[in-house]
Order: sequence, then C-alpha cells, then structure tokens
Amino acid sequence: GESVGLHLPTLSVQEGDNSIINCAYSNSASDYFIWYKQESGKGPQFIIDIRSNMDKRQGQRVTVLLNKTVKHLSLQIAATQPGDSAVYFCAETPPLQKLVFGTGTRLLVSP
Amino acid sequence: GAGVSQSPSNKVTEKGKDVELRCDPISGHTALYWYRQSLGQGLEFLIYFQGNSAPDKSGLPSDRFSAERTGGSVSTLTIQRTQQEDSAVYLCASSSTISNQPQHFGDGTRLSIL
Repeated sequence: GESVGLHLPTLSVQEGDNSIINCAYSNSASDYFIWYKQESGKGPQFIIDIRSNMDKRQGQRVTVLLNKTVKHLSLQIAATQPGDSAVYFCAETPPLQKLVFGTGTRLLVSP
Repeated sequence: GAGVSQSPSNKVTEKGKDVELRCDPISGHTALYWYRQSLGQGLEFLIYFQGNSAPDKSGLPSDRFSAERTGGSVSTLTIQRTQQEDSAVYLCASSSTISNQPQHFGDGTRLSIL
C-alpha cells in the first residue's frame, strides 16, 4: 500500500524563524513533486509544485528545493507564522502514474 | 462551489452497518481519488478513477470496500459491514489529469464506528 506513517516527525520553531521541512522521495524516475499543507480538520491544501527540470522554485514566503542526485526535496518557509502550524506532506509522481505521498511532518510554531 | 465537495462531513454509525460516502469533484476533472487517513497518520491510497478507464482498486483494504463513479463525475465510496478499524477520515481528491498535475482535496468525511 501507500506510505503511511505511524508517528509524524515534528519540527518546532519560533515565530519569525525560517523553517525547513525535508522529504526523501523514493523513485528516481519521478518527474513532478508537490508540497501540501494540512490543517486540523481539513483536507490537504496545495502549496507549491516543482518539475524535475528545475532545482528551485519560489512562491510567496515558500521555496521548494529539489536535489535529484540524492532524491531529496525540501520546503523552506520564511518568517514562519503561527498560521503555518500544520502537517506538511511531500508527494512525488513517477511518469504517467498517480501521486505518491510521503509520511508527513508536523510543524509547530510558537508565538 | 469551485472545490471538491464531500458529504457527509461527519458520520457516526454502529458496527456492522453499511455506509456511503459521497464526493463531488471539481468540474472537468477526469481523475478522482479516494484516500483514508487515520488519526495522526499519513494518507493511505484506496482507489482512483481516470476517465473511462477501469479504476485502480489496488489500495482497497478488503472486499467490504467498493467505489463507483457515475457519469464521470460524482463518486460514492461504500463500506459494507463496517468494523471499528474503519474509523478514519476519508478524503477525496480530483485532478485534471493523472500525472503532473496537483490533486485538489475535499475536507473529508470523518467516519466513526461505534
């Protein structure tokens, strides 16, 4: 079955700090990657995506970095706010296949 | 609305009963997915539909689970003879194609089996 985590890793930061959430993906053929944010009681919300022909993409306060050599994806959140507290999932897409989700990381932002 | 809509938002039922969960995808999206999420855990893939192709049922945990998608739009996930371990949030997502496009999620149905 798909990846399901029993205990989500947690990243705790102070408000105003920069946050970096990491993800190791599994398929070297994957060519499309997405980061989702899931707040309590809601479905995952699309944040940012990146294709394999890029190694960096920036959005509003967020940056995604892709290192295909080591199959690593990261999400950087600048000036983290309490509203950023959520569970963050990475997802990869092998060619012509459906998304495969990572296990998720819980981000806790303290005021 | 413009997003994925799921109903009901909450469902409480007794063990052994059948339940039906509904998903209205974004209009025009040809791909539709069902996931299960237990408390504090990640997303467990259940089934997806892509256009008129046969659905990928590889994630369904038992033959008590089934899903259909009528007219290429609305989908229903049915769980027969529910068990307590079926308690979870059931999430539906849709996308314009199967690959290289983000899936857009509804807020899920929280299912509680007493």
